[in-house]
Amino acid sequence: EADIYQTPRYLVIGTGKKITLECSQTMGHDKMYWYQQDPGMELHLIHYSYGVNSTEKGDLSSESTVSRIRTEHFPLTLESARPSHTSQYLCASSETRGNPYNEQFFGPGTRLTVL
Amino acid sequence: QKEVEQNSGPLSVPEGAIASLNCTYSDRGSQSFFWYRQYSGKSPELIMFIYSNGDKEDGRFTAQLNKASQYVSLLIRDSQPSDSATYLCAVNMFASGRGGTSYGKLTFGQGTILTVHP
Repeated sequence: EADIYQTPRYLVIGTGKKITLECSQTMGHDKMYWYQQDPGMELHLIHYSYGVNSTEKGDLSSESTVSRIRTEHFPLTLESARPSHTSQYLCASSETRGNPYNEQFFGPGTRLTVL
Repeated sequence: QKEVEQNSGPLSVPEGAIASLNCTYSDRGSQSFFWYRQYSGKSPELIMFIYSNGDKEDGRFTAQLNKASQYVSLLIRDSQPSDSATYLCAVNMFASGRGGTSYGKLTFGQGTILTVHP
């Protein structure tokens, strides 16, 4: 079973606030990902990381930023939240060694609402 | 054309029937294929993955892959009301990163909503 955690699970915040969504995994996976999913819609990759100090932007353009200072931690930050950022944010991780098929495990998600 | 396409449904089947979920993909170089289940308001949960042509069975679930037709399917036998969820097909494709590196990324379909009625 995957051990990947996200906090907060739900966040309602006003426009212009800075927010950080936390994601941690205890499996020692080297790869971590952030996806964005609107209700009833597809998951879109917004950021990924291959290891410490490695971050890349994904397919969907996002105003958020990420950092990977520790293997287990991959926080996502929005400097100034806007209503258009309202969505569900899903964190995932995978291990390169012994996993050539790129099997990914998801955290429970953070549902963000910006008023 | 979308990279990964699924019938959005909803697909409704009676309890005990076989549910058949389909997915097509555009990148012939794709090597591995995943089925995730997502309950409303929850995160995706991996059901199974397949990488070789043919069938792969796990309990009531069977994944089928046909690379020539670029088609992957999921069969759920003896469907139960608890199987009611959105089923996501994901395909591992290769993309180019910075510095000429190549990385595998999952591309998801839009999901098929399955309802199993008693």
